[in-house]
Amino acid sequence: DQQVKQNSPSLSVQEGRISILNCDYTNSMFDYFLWYKKYPAEGPTFLISISSIKDKNEDGRFTVFLNKSAKHLSLHIVPSQPGDSAVYFCAASSSGRGSTLGRLYFGRGTQLTVWP
Amino acid sequence: NAGVTQTPKFQVLKTGQSMTLQCAQDMNHNSMYWYRQDPGMGLRLIYYSASEGTTDKGEVPNGYNVSRLNKREFSLRLESAAPSQTSVYFCASSLRDTEAFFGQGTRLTVV
Repeated sequence: DQQVKQNSPSLSVQEGRISILNCDYTNSMFDYFLWYKKYPAEGPTFLISISSIKDKNEDGRFTVFLNKSAKHLSLHIVPSQPGDSAVYFCAASSSGRGSTLGRLYFGRGTQLTVWP
Repeated sequence: NAGVTQTPKFQVLKTGQSMTLQCAQDMNHNSMYWYRQDPGMGLRLIYYSASEGTTDKGEVPNGYNVSRLNKREFSLRLESAAPSQTSVYFCASSLRDTEAFFGQGTRLTVV
């Protein structure tokens, strides 16, 4: 049973507009959430993260929002650029005793296409 | 600074053959991981090593073994490959409280 869910397999957005990628989780023990970006034939690369003590984290064009009560997070990309076209994975982790933040539970990914 | 290096990048095996996937990191990370990615499935954790000398099962450990050779190296072994193990394998490493860094992946096909 998937503990991290990305229900949209794909998203298509025009260049310059906002891209919003969504993610839901079921495990209440998760307290650290990450977004990874993946190009074909490459490994995932870390994009942005958020701890459960925050509800927003911003890094340049990328902002992640966390709604703990709804067990939902979203990644906003503004403005979107063609180079942002990639698969985006949502991931969650627990910082509990004995855990490491690299022990991740991934969603199935969302293919973002940004067209000119 | 190479980060996480995996070898080989591609491999074709016959059912029943064995092989070892190699992974090395040069970031002085304590923790290392093996994930597999299948179409439409995201990445799933096979095994991880929180620190040198320890290994633990992840979500999908059946059919695999691992060895944490030293702090830098973490290998994944398939003793008797099966078609269900056709996948892309990613090695990753992290400090305990930082995000994981991934290698480029090994594309394995079992025929």
